[in-house]
Amino acid sequence: DTGVSQDPRHKITKRGQNVTFRCDPISEHNRLYWYRQTLGQGPEFLTYFQNEAQLEKSRLLSDRFSAERPKGSFSTLEIQRTEQGDSAMYLCASSPWTSGGRVGQYFGPGTRLTVL
Amino acid sequence: DQQVKQNSPSLSVQEGRISILNCDYTNSMFDYFLWYKKYPAEGPTFLISISSIKDKNEDGRFTVFLNKSAKHLSLHIVPSQPGDSAVYFCAASALDYGQNFVFGPGTRLSVLP
Repeated sequence: DTGVSQDPRHKITKRGQNVTFRCDPISEHNRLYWYRQTLGQGPEFLTYFQNEAQLEKSRLLSDRFSAERPKGSFSTLEIQRTEQGDSAMYLCASSPWTSGGRVGQYFGPGTRLTVL
Repeated sequence: DQQVKQNSPSLSVQEGRISILNCDYTNSMFDYFLWYKKYPAEGPTFLISISSIKDKNEDGRFTVFLNKSAKHLSLHIVPSQPGDSAVYFCAASALDYGQNFVFGPGTRLSVLP
């Protein structure tokens, strides 16, 4: 399977704990995105990488959220000191760079976070 | 303040008929629009896109129409098939926003056999 993969698929944690999610994009895609989706809403953009450079992070929800893509391949999203309001589906997507600039993204299945 | 709206939470259509899903946006800077389909327990799947320099884009059974003056776009599926039953998201972006795509809340389409 050469699609976008995310690990874990489900995470249950207690309030105040730190959690880290991993995303493996399609191998030839150099753009990687993180989104959050809550019930009844569409995906909400969080951040985006081109190769290892994080080019947009102003939409990260607070300073408790951080993302890395150290070698331009897989990425991690960390949430520190989780709160119940962080409970959501966290989606990763990737896309190739094109000279046209914007193309459709390929999404992974998501990681569902539940904060107790 | 939702910049991308999908005012119909759900839609039911008979198999073989046309499905029309609507999307409205408020930000006149948006110049690129996409539709995604989502099945349960899966991430969204890209369907079709349209640039603001066009008013129509077609791909097989899927056609997207853009009316810039009305800030409205629609996705037509003809003919509808039971496998099209899913949640459909409209998304928009602006050149100045970089890679920030804004999604609508989605419309659940049910195609009845």
